[in-house]
Amino acid sequence: GAVVSQHPSWVICKSGTSVKIECRSLDFQATTMFWYRQFPKQSLMLMATSNEGSKATYEQGVEKDKFLINHASLTLSTLTVTSAHPEDSSFYICSASSDRFETQYFGPGTRLLVL
Amino acid sequence: SQQGEEDPQALSIQEGENATMNCSYKTSINNLQWYRQNSGRGLVHLILIRSNEREKHSGRLRVTLDTSKKSSSLLITASRAADTASYFCATGLWGGSEKLVFGKGTKLTVNP
Repeated sequence: GAVVSQHPSWVICKSGTSVKIECRSLDFQATTMFWYRQFPKQSLMLMATSNEGSKATYEQGVEKDKFLINHASLTLSTLTVTSAHPEDSSFYICSASSDRFETQYFGPGTRLLVL
Repeated sequence: SQQGEEDPQALSIQEGENATMNCSYKTSINNLQWYRQNSGRGLVHLILIRSNEREKHSGRLRVTLDTSKKSSSLLITASRAADTASYFCATGLWGGSEKLVFGKGTKLTVNP
């Protein structure tokens, strides 16, 4: 149980375009979803926390207008990287949870390469 | 901001040996969790230890927690090549709906 999927698993796009990444909880209702960013050989950095039906809470230094997060249902959250630039190239990982869990369940990640 | 600091940053051992990784953190916690990440993949939850627990076992994994020293250790016994991965500790304040703060991780290589 507690499976989280992400789509796509990898994406290559041109600079200036927008990219949408989906995070789905497959077998449970996720009241909270988290979006992380990970650079090579580094740890996960939390970007934002999203609760179903409300606006996401962004961590300090994360541009909310650049990284749009929508948590429209209890099983789906999306991260849109707007006007992507090469420096946005990274590994993006989502996780999902709810109050009945003690931990978060992670998706497999999405590798974004902006040319 | 990073909360945990894993030690060592990298560890290379032979198959069959034990691997010990340490994690230190800064603030009060409700629980501490260990995750494994294979290269280029998502994180897999290994074990959670609550602040009122001192030791926990799961298969070949043994986790200890010393809240007075704000530190934890993860021991993997009888390591296998398949254990090669990065291991992260993460501290949580409350339940799953609260954010986790991850350490920098230990890259473990188990040589066959």
